[in-house]
Amino acid sequence: QVQVQESGPGLVKPSETLSLTCTVSGASISSYYWNWIRQPPGKGLEWLAYISNSGSANYNPSLKSRVTISVDTSKNQFSLKLTSVTAADTAMYYCARGSHFFGYWGRGTLVTVSS
Amino acid sequence: ETVLTQSPGTLSLSPGERATLSCRASQSVSSSFAWYQQKPGQAPRLLIYAASDRATGIPDRLTGSGSGTDFTLTISRMEPEDFAVYYCQQYGSSPYTFGQGTKLEIK
Repeated sequence: QVQVQESGPGLVKPSETLSLTCTVSGASISSYYWNWIRQPPGKGLEWLAYISNSGSANYNPSLKSRVTISVDTSKNQFSLKLTSVTAADTAMYYCARGSHFFGYWGRGTLVTVSS
Repeated sequence: ETVLTQSPGTLSLSPGERATLSCRASQSVSSSFAWYQQKPGQAPRLLIYAASDRATGIPDRLTGSGSGTDFTLTISRMEPEDFAVYYCQQYGSSPYTFGQGTKLEIK
């Protein structure tokens, strides 16, 4: 059974870089597309980026200059880096599998941006 | 960017009643459309993809329909576990976008 698990710091200071990792089990990370999606408290969902099974990335233009997604096939993990964070980046961050829609989701990790 | 507008924002129903949720896209997305259910403290769960195909394990009382710019999720008879927030999502063009959500609450 496919499982995905987010990990990373729960608190990040303004202007610093948010770094999260998603660990995949039950599936080869190199066989699928993998995504980061976030949800500010009490609000809706925002797709951030995906990395494809060939290693190509696609980003939401609203964040393109600040976001990087990468994959480590040796660890079956993929990662998100978001630079120059502000309070507006406070959200639950989810990793999810899918090239267009998202059938497997992690439980999410809450990241708060605050000094 | 394709903007998705869901209506209504909140729908109050009793168990056994029929629910009709709508989502309108700002431009055509063909049938590249999905629906999700989210319960408090949980990740979203895929219900429908390709506008009308049910995901694995989704009961047939949930039906998706539509194409182009107008889409509907129908729950034929509300069960207690159906009370949640529902989101639509388009994948016809990048960036993938979601609607703002419709909350189904118990009347």
